[in-house]
Amino acid sequence: EIVLTQSPGTLSLSPGERATLSCRASQSVDNNYLAWYQQKPGQAPRLLISGASNRATGIPDRFSGSGSATDFTLTISRLEPEDFAVFYCQQYGSSALTFGGGTKVEI
Amino acid sequence: EVQLVESGGGLVQPGGSLRLSCAASGFTFSSSWMHWVRQAPGRGLVWVSRIKSDGSYTTYADSVKGRFTISRDNAKNTLYLQMNSLRAEDTAIYYCAGGGSGYIFNWGEGTLVTVSS
Repeated sequence: EIVLTQSPGTLSLSPGERATLSCRASQSVDNNYLAWYQQKPGQAPRLLISGASNRATGIPDRFSGSGSATDFTLTISRLEPEDFAVFYCQQYGSSALTFGGGTKVEI
Repeated sequence: EVQLVESGGGLVQPGGSLRLSCAASGFTFSSSWMHWVRQAPGRGLVWVSRIKSDGSYTTYADSVKGRFTISRDNAKNTLYLQMNSLRAEDTAIYYCAGGGSGYIFNWGEGTLVTVSS
């Protein structure tokens, strides 16, 4: 199974600041099949990005994804109060899908 | 409106079995890949299993392979997860989820499975 390592574990920022989240894979992710999700307390996750850089329907353009092979990044250009949450990356390029351990973005 | 409603969770002893169900509505279930994802209390997301739209292909996480079986009944718009030989480390909220073969864009609210004596 591909292991995804997310960093940092926690990111302390203020509204209006830029957030940069990293996701590193233990081996190359086929076809850059890498997704990002946001999860708020007590809620199910929400898909933000698929295919490393394609925003899901209804996702604001302040969220952007980039990267390839083993190194991927989620960037939130200007944090809004509702953006504070835990973010997960997930690879689906192999038969066994895997999630990263998550990055908490807190105020 | 898309709805995924899980049921069947509860308390089970180590070594026991449980069958989760997920009733789907609001989308074309028979055309969708479906997944189970779990989350232990206060922990991260863990993908468990997926099944192709027609039920012909399934894959599992190493941690559940040989113990869990995913299946579906497209006539009933229902997804299942049969869980055998349960362990304490299987304790988690189990989410029914749907979307593509890989990424997931529809999620249920989850059902809690607790494995404890």
